[in-house]
Amino acid sequence: DSGVTQTPKHLITATGQRVTLRCSPRSGDLSVYWYQQSLDQGLQFLIQYYNGEERAKGNILERFSAQQFPDLHSELNLSSLELGDSALYFCASSARQGLTEAFFGQGTRLTVV
Amino acid sequence: GESVGLHLPTLSVQEGDNSIINCAYSNSASDYFIWYKQESGKGPQFIIDIRSNMDKRQGQRVTVLLNKTVKHLSLQIAATQPGDSAVYFCAEKIVGSQGNLIFGKGTKLSVKP
Repeated sequence: DSGVTQTPKHLITATGQRVTLRCSPRSGDLSVYWYQQSLDQGLQFLIQYYNGEERAKGNILERFSAQQFPDLHSELNLSSLELGDSALYFCASSARQGLTEAFFGQGTRLTVV
Repeated sequence: GESVGLHLPTLSVQEGDNSIINCAYSNSASDYFIWYKQESGKGPQFIIDIRSNMDKRQGQRVTVLLNKTVKHLSLQIAATQPGDSAVYFCAEKIVGSQGNLIFGKGTKLSVKP
């Protein structure tokens, strides 16, 4: 158990809908990262937050957004969903920025039908 | 993007043998590297890390070697066990970045009993 908790574990929704994925980082970790893992794209970095502020953006679509709350949990919002958004979404956390390992949650499997 | 899933390189070894998984990283400005193990249906799990000022680091049954000249990273697993069967990813952090990881394609390790 990495200490990172993601909910829900599975989500099935229709195209055009909006969903929210939730992540609770390890106790004391200030950095939260979101990754998307699909069969044809591997693990792709989406966005990072540090202590409530956005710090880095990767290949995140404009239809997607995220935030980190004062209690350090984070939410990833996916809207106007398309079939191609079906993937595993992972959250990871680390104690600080820079040269330190990140610990991953179990992921949320999103299926868009 | 990079391909995983059906197009993953696969390494098949006999139980008890040593395994070597290779990774070519892309950015000469990367200064920190991590190996992750991902079992089916789970999130990536931290195995071992190495900073760019080192060329070798040992853990329990695992050794990571870094060759900066040719931008190559390897993971050696001693006395491979069936529980080592998983997909292994190398990840890099670029110096000065906020800490997001860039993942390689992944290698599927299959251990035959």
